Amino acid sequence: GQNIDQPTEMTATEGAIVQINCTYQTSGFNGLFWYQQHAGEAPTFLSYNVLDGLEEKGRFSSFLSRSKGYSYLLLKELQMKDSASYLCAVRDRGFKTIFGAGTRLFVKA
Amino acid sequence: EPEVTQTPSHQVTQMGQEVILRCVPISNHLYFYWYRQILGQKVEFLVSFYNNEISEKSEIFDDQFSVERPDGSNFTLKIRSTKLEDSAMYFCASSGGTVQYEQYFGPGTRLTVT
Repeated sequence: GQNIDQPTEMTATEGAIVQINCTYQTSGFNGLFWYQQHAGEAPTFLSYNVLDGLEEKGRFSSFLSRSKGYSYLLLKELQMKDSASYLCAVRDRGFKTIFGAGTRLFVKA
Repeated sequence: EPEVTQTPSHQVTQMGQEVILRCVPISNHLYFYWYRQILGQKVEFLVSFYNNEISEKSEIFDDQFSVERPDGSNFTLKIRSTKLEDSAMYFCASSGGTVQYEQYFGPGTRLTVT
């Protein structure tokens, strides 16, 4: 079956670094996405990995290991505005994108 | 910056009624999607649309659902006979500009079925 697992909640301190893990089991693989979603708003795109390795984009980095079915999102220099849900999503063979339940990140002062 | 727009922002309807949710994707995009998110739950894929036809649909997208691109700009989702369990936020997304995989989401339509 299709399954994406990520922690339900995490708490971190302003200025710190946090790593949000995601493991997946899907029938096909055509890329892994990370989205940010603030409460009541639409998801916004953060990153895309289709090959193994680390992709860096400003304060955000995303890592993928296809053989392990594993990804993580790394957020550096945390700011209060980073408090949001972070959604791991996998695109299967075709156009279908399967989302995890999301990790709610609380950033405290 | 170009964006996906959706109307209405909130729709209240009675069970059994038909609803049409409207979206205007980003103008040079080629791939269009509908997702839904029931309150407190995960985002769920409904359907993708490319080259004027459905390219993929999920198990949720049954005969009660249909999509259409009636002109060069609009992309609509119709639910023929709404059920209570159709109450959710419906997001339209588009992709296929210079960065093909990056999906831009609209702000969503909150559908409440009473």
